[in-house]
Amino acid sequence: AQSVTQLGSHVSVSEGALVLLRCNYSSSVPPYLFWYVQYPNQGLQLLLKYTSAATLVKGINDFEAEFKKSETSFHLTKPSAHMSDAAEYFCAVSEGDTGTASKLTFGTGTRLQVTL
Amino acid sequence: DAGVTQSPTHLIKTRGQQVTLRCSPKSGHDTVSWYQQALGQGPQFIFQYYEEEERQRGNFPDRFSGHQFPNYSSELNVNALWLGDSALYLCASSFFGGEETQYFGPGTRLLVL
Repeated sequence: AQSVTQLGSHVSVSEGALVLLRCNYSSSVPPYLFWYVQYPNQGLQLLLKYTSAATLVKGINDFEAEFKKSETSFHLTKPSAHMSDAAEYFCAVSEGDTGTASKLTFGTGTRLQVTL
Repeated sequence: DAGVTQSPTHLIKTRGQQVTLRCSPKSGHDTVSWYQQALGQGPQFIFQYYEEEERQRGNFPDRFSGHQFPNYSSELNVNALWLGDSALYLCASSFFGGEETQYFGPGTRLLVL
């Protein structure tokens, strides 16, 4: 079974400050890991993914995440927050190396607030 | 290149009724997955369809059923609706045997009264 824990349901940062959203996973098989963003009343947009290649993954809008197997973590960071980054962020895990996209198990989400 | 589309965008039903939600996958994709997202929660996997058959299923009762058509589009059916079925229903598509990413549609928001 797989699971995802997102520490902090709400995170508030000032515009221009570092963004750090935490994600820890549990998986009995080598995982694939994803970060999705959800703006109000919209679906999910993929930010970045880890699929057993480079452990430091770069995504859209200057977001990046580092896969740390020893810590079972996949934290999301962005050097400088922008007002447009305010949204809900979801970390998700799936079984890797199945040859296709298997079911995603999501965390409960972190709402990012960006203040002036 | 059209992305994943879903219809309708919003729906209101009463308890005990049945509902059908529809999804068209992203161009070139042949696999459709459905997720339920309750308010304030992360999405929960319902099931996945490939080659018109249910390939994987999450922990949802038999009241939730689906179908995939030869053109890869899909329907999600929910029978005997109850209040707890109120949620955003998300469809995601992918290419079987291809990259591991699922691309999501905008969702259908279902309210059960």
